[in-house]
Amino acid sequence: EVQLVESGGGLVQPGGSLRLSCAASGFTFSSYAMSWVRQAPGKGLEWVSAISGSGGSTYYADSVKGRFTISRDNSKNTLYLQMNSLRAEDTAVYYCAKSPEAMVTLPGFFDYWGQGTLVTVSS
Amino acid sequence: AIRMTQSPSSFSASTGDRVTITCRASQGISSYLAWYQQKPGKAPKLLIYAASTLQSGVPSRFSGSGSGTDFTLTISCLQSEDFATYYCQQYYSYPGTFGQGTKVEIK
Repeated sequence: EVQLVESGGGLVQPGGSLRLSCAASGFTFSSYAMSWVRQAPGKGLEWVSAISGSGGSTYYADSVKGRFTISRDNSKNTLYLQMNSLRAEDTAVYYCAKSPEAMVTLPGFFDYWGQGTLVTVSS
Repeated sequence: AIRMTQSPSSFSASTGDRVTITCRASQGISSYLAWYQQKPGKAPKLLIYAASTLQSGVPSRFSGSGSGTDFTLTISCLQSEDFATYYCQQYYSYPGTFGQGTKVEIK
């Protein structure tokens, strides 16, 4: 059974940093691209970042480019999102999501999602 | 970025109804479209990809159609568990944008 479990969310002040983790199980982690998708309270879904199965290719939404860094440790079956210079508008539930392919040439769709972790940016 | 526009934004329906949700892309996306269902407090669930391919395990009352710029999600016979918010997503080009969502409520 595919499982994705996010952690690392919490309350952080504007300008602060946070690192999210997503522990994966039930599939060959390194064979699939992964993404982060967020959802602000009461709002719709926003794609944030994607990484290829090997970790060699990454993509970012313009809204987070230069502030967020996606990475993965295939030996630990874990996906990360390092978030720096956080702003109030980054407040959201952050989901990790699995793509059915290894490459990120296209954004891809998401066949499995974690339960999400809430990030609140506020003073 | 490609803009995805869903209609309607919300509507009320009854169990047993046939319902259709529309998604329009601001430019052609071939068949690179997925549909998701989300219930309150839960993660989205993939229903359809490649515009019309049903994800494994999804009931056959769900179907998708369209290509280019205009797409539809149809639920042939609405069940109680189908009351939720539905999102379309294009994956033709970065960023992979979502529609604003369509909330299906109980009449």
